[in-house]
Amino acid sequence: TQLLEQSPQFLSIQEGENLTVYCNSSSVFSSLQWYRQEPGEGPVLLVTVVTGGEVKKLKRLTFQFGDARKDSSLHITAAQPGDTGLYLCAGAPSNDYKLSFGAGTTVTVRA
Amino acid sequence: DSGVTQTPKHLITATGQRVTLRCSPRSGDLSVYWYQQSLDQGLQFLIQYYNGEERAKGNILERFSAQQFPDLHSELNLSSLELGDSALYFCASSITAGRTNEQFFGPGTRLTVL
Repeated sequence: TQLLEQSPQFLSIQEGENLTVYCNSSSVFSSLQWYRQEPGEGPVLLVTVVTGGEVKKLKRLTFQFGDARKDSSLHITAAQPGDTGLYLCAGAPSNDYKLSFGAGTTVTVRA
Repeated sequence: DSGVTQTPKHLITATGQRVTLRCSPRSGDLSVYWYQQSLDQGLQFLIQYYNGEERAKGNILERFSAQQFPDLHSELNLSSLELGDSALYFCASSITAGRTNEQFFGPGTRLTVL
């Protein structure tokens, strides 16, 4: 069982559409991170959210940390083909030290 | 470019063999992490070193071992290799050892065991 559950597992949309990826857990996290990974490369950190209820924006990407610090979401507005990749959420629960990753959401944006 | 380097990029070997993967962290980073990524298991944390000392252990098999040297580079040793060890192995680094520290990943080593 994954500590962090991501949904959906796969997402295929047309260029210009919006999408949301979810990351949920029953554990409380001191912070959550979002990474994007392209085929054959290592994950690249997009953002870290640390405060419950926090919203961070990175151009067309909006990240939200749940009030209870158990969940997070990533929303992409007007998706572009360059947004294609594997999106991973990661965090260390408050009672643990190690960083755990969700299984990831594979996003494909068709031109 | 994250600043983390890993060698080799690709490695093909046979079952029962032993291999060594190498990682150089970003300049200034004291902590090194090793991860295994396979299609069915996702990204799994193996082990973390901080300034030469083992800091945290994940789902690392007894056949695997790692160390961090005084110059802070790290090596992951995989022995008695099995077909199921075929995967991407990533190294990541961060400035300190805290759980909230942002990690920067290398490009990975793709290991194929035949």
